[in-house]
Amino acid sequence: TQLLEQSPQFLSIQEGENLTVYCNSSSVFSSLQWYRQEPGEGPVLLVTVVTGGEVKKLKRLTFQFGDARKDSSLHITAAQPGDTGLYLCAGSQTPSGGYQKVTFGTGTKLQVIP
Amino acid sequence: DAGITQSPRHKVTETGTPVTLRCHQTENHRYMYWYRQDPGHGLRLIHYSYGVKDTDKGEVSDGYSVSRSKTEDFLLTLESATSSQTSVYFCAIRTGTTSSYEQYFGPGTRLTVT
Repeated sequence: TQLLEQSPQFLSIQEGENLTVYCNSSSVFSSLQWYRQEPGEGPVLLVTVVTGGEVKKLKRLTFQFGDARKDSSLHITAAQPGDTGLYLCAGSQTPSGGYQKVTFGTGTKLQVIP
Repeated sequence: DAGITQSPRHKVTETGTPVTLRCHQTENHRYMYWYRQDPGHGLRLIHYSYGVKDTDKGEVSDGYSVSRSKTEDFLLTLESATSSQTSVYFCAIRTGTTSSYEQYFGPGTRLTVT
């Protein structure tokens, strides 16, 4: 069962355009992370959001955690070719009496064309 | 950069042979993880460790075993490799708190089982 659904799966846009990637779930998460992965490399952490409704900005990237902590979005303004990569969201939960569980979405592959 | 290295980076092996992948970290992190990444499945947890000699299973642990005899090294062993274990394997460490969970990944090992 895939708990985290990402959309779209693929996105090809022109340099300078804006885009939004979504990460949705029916489960509540204690925190949610966004990663970017380039071919042949491991995922690189971009941001962690913790509080429902939280908005974080990282240069041209804006991350939002849903009020109910079940969903998140990543908005990129004026995309550049360097933004090309696979974007992954990951939600963490702490089952009672157990260790934290992290679930990854299947990713959004972004291509920014110069 | 969380000081994580993986070896080997690439390996081709035959069905039925044992394979061991190594993850090494230099920053004394307590928690270490092994994931596999496959198209359409995202990152799936194989095993994790919460201290020396303390390990537990993840969601796709069948056919894999792990060992952690030193804080800095976490080994993943495929006792008898099968073609379904062809994948890219990532090691990760964890930082942050219970409510702000962050993982940092190694560069990955691409394993092909023929």
